[in-house]
Amino acid sequence: SAVISQKPSRDICQRGTSLTIQCQVDSQVTMMFWYRQQPGQSLTLIATANQGSEATYESGFVIDKFPISRPNLTFSTLTVSNMSPEDSSIYLCSASLAGTGDGNTIYFGEGSWLTVV
Amino acid sequence: GEDVEQSLFLSVREGDSSVINCTYTDSSSTYLYWYKQEPGAGLQLLTYIFSNMDMKQDQRLTVLLNKKDKHLSLRIADTQTGDSAIYFCAEKEGNAGKSTFGDGTTLTVKP
Repeated sequence: SAVISQKPSRDICQRGTSLTIQCQVDSQVTMMFWYRQQPGQSLTLIATANQGSEATYESGFVIDKFPISRPNLTFSTLTVSNMSPEDSSIYLCSASLAGTGDGNTIYFGEGSWLTVV
Repeated sequence: GEDVEQSLFLSVREGDSSVINCTYTDSSSTYLYWYKQEPGAGLQLLTYIFSNMDMKQDQRLTVLLNKKDKHLSLRIADTQTGDSAIYFCAEKEGNAGKSTFGDGTTLTVKP
């Protein structure tokens, strides 16, 4: 199994500022992902964080707004840039252990709850 | 694209069984998952089933998969108030890491 830790767990942010969320996995993983969960809604994939290369973004999400880093196999960051109230969401990091003994299990962090005022 | 659908709400009495249903469209789905999200928390993986299986049981949880109809269900036996949460169905194709999630079913357990 894998334990995924996210920081910050919660934050209140001013409109127009940027915030970086960190995601740390306790073991090396092949794939890491960032999801957004807006209030009362399901999860929407923002991007796949690729180790050593640019992230792969889903339709509707762009690098300028959500820059992502993944410097190694256990760590990734997501920045929410130039925030507006519409960015108030839970941001979830997830990791897939595909390629290891734990097959295709996908684990999630506890989420980072952002409120933009 | 892929689509996963769930009914939004389910209410049961404590001690009864709960059945949460899910349908999906992607015939290439290889793994299907059930996650639980309690208020103020992240997602907890409950169980998953490989597409060549019909059933998987894990303590109070039973997952049934009808691949022909692309229908997945989660049965919770002897439902407790602590089972009140949102339950998400998700599917993943092969070795692709990303998953598609349903909108979640809010389970309310009444004493």
